[in-house]
Amino acid sequence: EAGVAQSPRYKIIEKRQSVAFWCNPISGHATLYWYQQILGQGPKLLIQFQNNGVVDDSQLPKDRFSAERLKGVDSTLKIQPAKLEDSAVYLCASRNAYNEQFFGPGTRLTVL
Amino acid sequence: QKEVEQNSGPLSVPEGAIASLNCTYSDRGSQSFFWYRQYSGKSPELIMFIYSNGDKEDGRFTAQLNKASQYVSLLIRDSQPSDSATYLCAVKTGNQFYFGTGTSLTVIP
Repeated sequence: EAGVAQSPRYKIIEKRQSVAFWCNPISGHATLYWYQQILGQGPKLLIQFQNNGVVDDSQLPKDRFSAERLKGVDSTLKIQPAKLEDSAVYLCASRNAYNEQFFGPGTRLTVL
Repeated sequence: QKEVEQNSGPLSVPEGAIASLNCTYSDRGSQSFFWYRQYSGKSPELIMFIYSNGDKEDGRFTAQLNKASQYVSLLIRDSQPSDSATYLCAVKTGNQFYFGTGTSLTVIP
């Protein structure tokens, strides 16, 4: 069974630029999560999708972050404009029926 | 108060010893509890989960849950150098998953 796919793996941008991350969850997993993990901290949930609907986006900084999952499979997370404090690893995870989350390899974002 | 708290460590144990990792959570309504292992530069991988009070064993790993004390722990028996990693405790409350900051474990050969 293929795991969660993410791209790109690394991205370096300057502040005020925009960036987008892509995630393809494990086949059949209806629930998809985006997390932000700052160095030395645990993952922080940004947004949760159930199929193509948003379940929870209470911790998503909506003035600069947006996410979509149009067909209930792939998802994209966008940051526009980026700030220095957005430097982190962005993790996508999908969940099975037993509440087990499986993480993708992550995208390491550096904002200069 | 943070939702999930863990000792950041580092915790060092000799090879073959038992490593004990602890986690407390703030919301009594939390339903399920997870332990993840994260190697440096890698993404978290699920070790095991527990829903009910008591112990749950899986190979060298034992998760322990005490809902009255709002406490969950992970024991690693016969620790190996390959167990050296950061261990993340995660708690599911409603629809939300909350992660602790992780405990860094080093197993010394």
